[in-house]
This record gives sequence, C-alpha cells and structure tokens, in this order.
Amino acid sequence: RKEVEQDPGPFNVPEGATVAFNCTYSNSASQSFFWYRQDCRKEPKLLMSVYSSGNEDGRFTAQLNRASQYISLLIRDSKLSDSATYLCVVNGNSSASKIIFGSGTRLSIRP
Amino acid sequence: GAGVSQSPSNKVTEKGKDVELRCDPISGHTALYWYRQRLGQGLEFLIYFQGNSAPDKSGLPSDRFSAERTGESVSTLTIQRTQQEDSAVYLCASSFDHLELREQFFGPGTRLTVL
Repeated sequence: RKEVEQDPGPFNVPEGATVAFNCTYSNSASQSFFWYRQDCRKEPKLLMSVYSSGNEDGRFTAQLNRASQYISLLIRDSKLSDSATYLCVVNGNSSASKIIFGSGTRLSIRP
Repeated sequence: GAGVSQSPSNKVTEKGKDVELRCDPISGHTALYWYRQRLGQGLEFLIYFQGNSAPDKSGLPSDRFSAERTGESVSTLTIQRTQQEDSAVYLCASSFDHLELREQFFGPGTRLTVL
C-alpha cells in the first residue's frame, strides 16, 4: 500500500459544480497535511494547509479525518482556472524523507 | 522578491554522460529539497539540506546521484553516468523552517532528457 494515495482522476466537471477528492495516508503518526496545486508543466504551489478542525479559504475547504486517515479537498463553484492537478502532501515526522507527495488528482473544469 | 531559480531549464544528454543541475533557493531559507518527477507521476523525494546539519540522502535512488549545498545558498545535484530512466523533471524547493514544515517554494524545474 502506498503511503499516500490519491484517486488520479481525471475528474471532469462543469463550471460552477462542486467537486471533492480525498487522499488517504498510511502513517497514523503523520503530523502535517497540505494540498498543493500543480498546473500542467509547472511547479507545485501551496494551495492550503489542512488543520485538525478543518479550514476554509474562499471556495476551498480542507478537512482532516485522523480516525480514518484521510484528508479531503472540496471546491465549490468551480472555475475554469481551477483545472490543475491537486497534490496531497503528508509529513510523518521531522525527517524530510517522510514528506510524502501523493501522485495527484487531475481536475478538468469544462465550460 | 526573487523565487527559487533552477538551471538549466532543459538538458538533453547522451546516456553515460554526467550532468549537473543547479538550484538557487530563496534568500534566508534554511531548508532545501530536491525532488524528481517523472511524466505523469508524483514527486519523488531525493535529498534534503537543513542549515549546517548533515543532509538527508535517504531518497537518492543510486550512488550515481549526489548533491551538495554551500552553506545556505546554492545547491547542485549531480547525476553521473546518466541512464534513460533518469529522464524526468528535477524540482528544487526551499522553505524557511523545515521543523514546522512551512510552505515549500518550488523552482520551475530542470527537464532532463537522456537519449
């Protein structure tokens, strides 16, 4: 089992739709969680951190479920510009080798 | 301000040749990371530098790979005797303080093609 797993997609949804994807992680001791966004042939950029109590940034909501060991990202009122690959990042401990990137979920928003 | 820069942006080499990739982190960032990303794949951790501590080399795939960093500045990733499976985008990232895993800022990457 991979340490961090994501549904690769692609998710193809119409503009204005709400879309959600999950990321599961295997290490129950994982401490920090993030969502990064990567546009085609570009470098990843931080979208948002994921806090234990859940957090929201505009149209984006991130949640953490420690009991089931997954994090989720919800995008409301999706825009064409949301089309990208979304990477789940999990940090197990203070060692850099435990910073694990998921393979990403591809999202395509259609007009 | 200036972000993370990498050079060259593209490198085409012949199998068996050595290549050197360069990363200039954001000034003041003590942590520096190298990752490899194959086409359509996720990021694969290679090596991590934090200040003057010994680097974490646990992600290097073979002894053909090595990296150096001078203080808290430039880093170079060297791949000796390149193989076709080394073809990938090599991404460098820096962050202010790894212990709290602050945001990693990525460079644009070096696209390596081994013929």
